[in-house]
Amino acid sequence: NFMLTQPHSVSESPGKTVTISCTRSSGSIASNYVQWYQQRPGSAPTTVIYEDNQRPSGVPDRFSGSIDSSSNSASLTISGLKTEDEADYYCQSYDSSNLWVFGGGTKLTVL
Amino acid sequence: EVQLVQSGAEVKKPGESLKISCKGSGYSFTSYWIGWVRQMPGKGLEWMGIIYPGDSDTRYSPSFQGQVTISADKSISTAYLQWSSLKASDTAMYYCARADSFYGSGMDVWGKGTTVTVSS
Repeated sequence: NFMLTQPHSVSESPGKTVTISCTRSSGSIASNYVQWYQQRPGSAPTTVIYEDNQRPSGVPDRFSGSIDSSSNSASLTISGLKTEDEADYYCQSYDSSNLWVFGGGTKLTVL
Repeated sequence: EVQLVQSGAEVKKPGESLKISCKGSGYSFTSYWIGWVRQMPGKGLEWMGIIYPGDSDTRYSPSFQGQVTISADKSISTAYLQWSSLKASDTAMYYCARADSFYGSGMDVWGKGTTVTVSS
């Protein structure tokens, strides 16, 4: 099994760009799709990126996803930050042993 | 509209049994997986397991294998998560969510969650 490691928290000012990383501990990050979920306080999660870099309809193009095989990590980038982007963000991928894995989550503060 | 409607909040005592539900509507229930995710107070998301209602193929996280049972009744488009003997450590929010495939696009539709409180 592998782990997905995220920074505990990040903060940035409105209008700026922030990137949240998700590093896979073993196995290739490129071997299985990575998803990103946003969870606002008191609400259920919603998908902001699926299949590494695809945005569901309704998610603004300020949200983008990528993977980097050299660092074995996935990244979620949010540009033009808005206060409404303040939330917890979780990455998720799969293990070949029929397991889903979530990262520990990153708290984004927009201040 | 595609929806997953979860059953209401539960307050139980240690040792009691519990079955919570997740009813799908607005799509073909037997063509998508339904996964369950635990979120303990102030903590992150944990994948518990997943079921394909079409053929009842069920897979569990090792952390939850033997601790819970996931099932589905396709005749009423409802998935279930059950415990035979609750512990205080089962106190959490439980979400169900839909997935189009096991190794695919993740969970695209989520229920609002069911709060389970276990206290003597």
